[in-house]
Amino acid sequence: AQSVSQHNHHVILSEAASLELGCNYSYGGTVNLFWYVQYPGQHLQLLLKYFSGDPLVKGIKGFEAEFIKSKFSFNLRKPSVQWSDTAEYFCAVQNYGGATNKLIFGTGTLLAVQP
Amino acid sequence: DGGITQSPKYLFRKEGQNVTLSCEQNLNHDAMYWYRQDPGQGLRLIYYSQIVNDFQKGDIAEGYSVSREKKESFPLTVTSAQKNPTAFYLCASRGQTYEQYFGPGTRLTVT
Repeated sequence: AQSVSQHNHHVILSEAASLELGCNYSYGGTVNLFWYVQYPGQHLQLLLKYFSGDPLVKGIKGFEAEFIKSKFSFNLRKPSVQWSDTAEYFCAVQNYGGATNKLIFGTGTLLAVQP
Repeated sequence: DGGITQSPKYLFRKEGQNVTLSCEQNLNHDAMYWYRQDPGQGLRLIYYSQIVNDFQKGDIAEGYSVSREKKESFPLTVTSAQKNPTAFYLCASRGQTYEQYFGPGTRLTVT
């Protein structure tokens, strides 16, 4: 069965520190990949996505992610975090061309940025 | 404003009672989804519907039921058979692209 692993459950950083959140998935076929973010008290919203093409994708608010097919990974990065980046981050995988377009989510990473 | 609305934001019920959570979208999306979010477990798919009058069980459908009589609406009923119903419930919809758009969620507490 497909699964998504987010290794960092809880990350605490100081402002201006660099961020990298790990995401690995298990599925041998073609996938669509997503990072969603849930700010305190707000909707879950899309941060960035990868469907095909350049494996380095840029999202909102200065985030980027790199798809490494050989490692089944889609790690999220930001060079310099801000206090407003405090949120929970979810990686999600979807079978490309699957009949249901189901999203399989990781367990989430709670990021706390200290001012 | 286009989007997904869920009501109520907070819901409290006694054990043994069925409860229905509302989800409405005005995005003209065909597909709709219900997820359950628990701390440390991410989001898990309960039910989904790809078109009106059709729906399928997700990964954790036991103790839940849904209907899809209108394109805009996809209510979820949490029945008394659900053993651990206290959770945060998220509704989502999807249009022609692959992204899912989420509502604000309903936090259900059963005592």
